[in-house]
Amino acid sequence: DAGVIQSPRHEVTEMGQEVTLRCKPISGHDYLFWYRQTMMRGLELLIYFNNNVPIDDSGMPEDRFSAKMPNASFSTLKIQPSEPRDSAVYFCASSLDRRGRGANEQFFGPGTRLTVL
Amino acid sequence: SQQGEEDPQALSIQEGENATMNCSYKTSINNLQWYRQNSGRGLVHLILIRSNEREKHSGRLRVTLDTSKKSSSLLITASRAADTASYFCATDILNTDKLIFGTGTRLQVFP
Repeated sequence: DAGVIQSPRHEVTEMGQEVTLRCKPISGHDYLFWYRQTMMRGLELLIYFNNNVPIDDSGMPEDRFSAKMPNASFSTLKIQPSEPRDSAVYFCASSLDRRGRGANEQFFGPGTRLTVL
Repeated sequence: SQQGEEDPQALSIQEGENATMNCSYKTSINNLQWYRQNSGRGLVHLILIRSNEREKHSGRLRVTLDTSKKSSSLLITASRAADTASYFCATDILNTDKLIFGTGTRLQVFP
């Protein structure tokens, strides 16, 4: 298995532009997570899905952020319009269900480094 | 808000020495996990310890968990330069499947 795949790896855009980050989870995994990592705030959970359904989006910072998972093998995180403070590394991760025994091991993608000028 | 706080924030040691990192958390958990992150890469899972376990080993890694103190430690024995990375603890939130990550410890191992 190729692991979690994210694209693009790097994105540089100007303030006000729309940004779309993409993720392909590991085949067969039940959960997909989107995180944001910055020096100031560390690793923050933005939103997560179970079987393609959003479960908790309480970490999404503002309405400018939206995430979708149209099928089990693809998810997007969109920022519209982007702002310089959105500059960060965005990670996607996936995991299997531990069936009520707590959160399982998560497999992370390589991340997308976003720079908003 | 972050659930876990790691201590120390940074640690520098020589190859062959042991490295100990500590994690404190705030709420009840099902399990606690440790992850490693090399510079410019995604996080990699190292080990998971359940709330009813006190100690767990995996190769050169030893993890302890004290639920009464809400703390955990990660020991890396006989460290190598390749162990240079940031290490994060992560705890789950009861009745959810999400993880909350700590602030991380940056480990530098000098050859």
